Amino acid sequence: AQSVTQLGSHVSVSEGALVLLRCNYSSSVPPYLFWYVQYPNQGLQLLLKYTTGATLVKGINGFEAEFKKSETSFHLTKPSAHMSDAAEYFCAVSPGYSSASKIIFGSGTRLSIRP
Amino acid sequence: EPEVTQTPSHQVTQMGQEVILRCVPISNHLYFYWYRQILGQKVEFLVSFYNNEISEKSEIFDDQFSVERPDGSNFTLKIRSTKLEDSAMYFCASSETGANEKLFFGSGTQLSVL
Repeated sequence: AQSVTQLGSHVSVSEGALVLLRCNYSSSVPPYLFWYVQYPNQGLQLLLKYTTGATLVKGINGFEAEFKKSETSFHLTKPSAHMSDAAEYFCAVSPGYSSASKIIFGSGTRLSIRP
Repeated sequence: EPEVTQTPSHQVTQMGQEVILRCVPISNHLYFYWYRQILGQKVEFLVSFYNNEISEKSEIFDDQFSVERPDGSNFTLKIRSTKLEDSAMYFCASSETGANEKLFFGSGTQLSVL
């Protein structure tokens, strides 16, 4: 079975500051890991995903995440926050095979950006 | 970019009534999903659908729930007899090649059961 835990339901940073959103996963098989973002009144959009290979994954809008198997973590970072980054961010996991029929989401972290 | 569209955006119903939530997935997608999010809680998987049948369903997806792709373009979620605890935001998603590829989500239907 797979699950993810997102630490912190709400994170607030100043514009230009580092963004760090934390995600830990649990999986009985090698996982695929995802970050999705939800802007107000919109559906979830894929930011980035880790499947195999390089553990540092780059996504859209300057975000990146690093898969650390030893820490069972997949934290999302961005060096410099922008006001447009304010949104809800969801970490997700699935079993790492092509026939997987679902991904499992965390409870989300709301990111606020202070001017 | 193509979009998944969901209607209605808000649905209010009385407990015990049937509701149908509608979704139009992206036209060349083959995999379809329903998720829901109760306020303040996780986005929960309900059901996945491929090749005109359910691929996987969660414990939440009991006999009160059903899905259908009636006409090759729409994908519907029916709740036969709504309960108060069914109040949630319901998201439809679709994918071209499966869950491990990019899921495209609709903007959701907020269901309120009174």
